[in-house]
Amino acid sequence: GENVEQHPSTLSVQEGDSAVIKCTYSDSASNYFPWYKQELGKGPQLIIDIRSNVGEKKDQRIAVTLNKTAKHFSLHITETQPEDSAVYFCAAITSGTYKYIFGTGTRLKVLA
Amino acid sequence: DVKVTQSSRYLVKRTGEKVFLECVQDMDHENMFWYRQDPGLGLRLIYFSYDVKMKEKGDIPEGYSVSREKKERFSLILESASTNQTSMYLCASSRDSPYNSPLHFGNGTRLTVT
Repeated sequence: GENVEQHPSTLSVQEGDSAVIKCTYSDSASNYFPWYKQELGKGPQLIIDIRSNVGEKKDQRIAVTLNKTAKHFSLHITETQPEDSAVYFCAAITSGTYKYIFGTGTRLKVLA
Repeated sequence: DVKVTQSSRYLVKRTGEKVFLECVQDMDHENMFWYRQDPGLGLRLIYFSYDVKMKEKGDIPEGYSVSREKKERFSLILESASTNQTSMYLCASSRDSPYNSPLHFGNGTRLTVT
């Protein structure tokens, strides 16, 4: 079945450094790729997304890139801050369906 | 701001009990979802509903059922709880299909079955 692989499972960076989380999807029909951030004790919250007709999208310190040929997409966080510490989930979905396929999550720790 | 409220933060139930997890959203969203979150497995869809009284199975519906009698409320039912249903359960809603509008999640219910 369809799946999304996410790496790494844990990531520790020094405050101010960059963090990159990578996902690979299997269903070539997938055309929407959101990223969710889950802080401790809370539900996941959408932080950025990208559709298949775009190669890159940026929102302040976060950016997402998409390589449709390789079926890869990545989250980039620059100038990391302690409040970026959380679990991040990538996901993929195809238009016309209701089922996200989520990655297994990355626990990001930003060390002060 | 959309609010998705799950009635319990923590629940402890015994094997064989019937368990109800309740979820309410306040933004008149059409769609509601129940996910299960386990370490190393990510979020897995149990059931979803795209309209009142309508329901569809997700990827792991076995051992669960759902009820949506009113638009704002979506209940997850464990007919006979088992220890392998110990998990974090997340409810979500979306205004439109997830392709067109984001999921809004509640803060989760951590269920322990002993």
